[in-house]
Amino acid sequence: AQSVTQLDSHVSVSEGTPVLLRCNYSSSYSPSLFWYVQHPNKGLQLLLKYTSAATLVKGINGFEAEFKKSETSFHLTKPSAHMSDAAEYFCVVSDNAGNMLTFGGGTRLMVKP
Amino acid sequence: EAGVAQSPRYKIIEKRQSVAFWCNPISGHATLYWYQQILGQGPKLLIQFQNNGVVDDSQLPKDRFSAERLKGVDSTLKIQPAKLEDSAVYLCASSLMYRVNTGELFFGEGSRLTVL
Repeated sequence: AQSVTQLDSHVSVSEGTPVLLRCNYSSSYSPSLFWYVQHPNKGLQLLLKYTSAATLVKGINGFEAEFKKSETSFHLTKPSAHMSDAAEYFCVVSDNAGNMLTFGGGTRLMVKP
Repeated sequence: EAGVAQSPRYKIIEKRQSVAFWCNPISGHATLYWYQQILGQGPKLLIQFQNNGVVDDSQLPKDRFSAERLKGVDSTLKIQPAKLEDSAVYLCASSLMYRVNTGELFFGEGSRLTVL
């Protein structure tokens, strides 16, 4: 069975500084990995996904993530945080058949002015 | 393009009462999902439909939860009788593709249930 662990439940950064949200996964096969974002009282939105193509994946709003098989990691980064980035972020893995998503526990990103 | 619609947005009930949530997916999306998101946790899949057939309901507590998707369009999730631990946000999502890793899930804003 697949699983994901988000290493930080809360991350606080200052506006204009880099963002790093950490995610480790466990899978017995080559997984598909995703990052979703959830703004308050809004639906979850796909930020980016990795499906065995390029290991560096670029997403919306300047976010990117790098798939590192040797480290079983899929960390999310952004060079410069914006106030609008404050939200809950979920790292997600799909099962081998591509049928089911397993979500991590989430990381709440806070951005200070 | 209209997104995934859910209602009601908020519901407060007492334990042992029943509740129903409704979801209307994006037009043309054959696959529909119900997730349960307990406060402080990631969403957990309850049931997945492909058109009006159930693909996966292995994590649905069938003694109290039921869901249907008549005519392969909108869907209803029912809880009867509710327990305190059912307090959560119930998320509906839909996708065009059957396999989640080839497409994108579009989520509604959720229905927040509080059981007293």
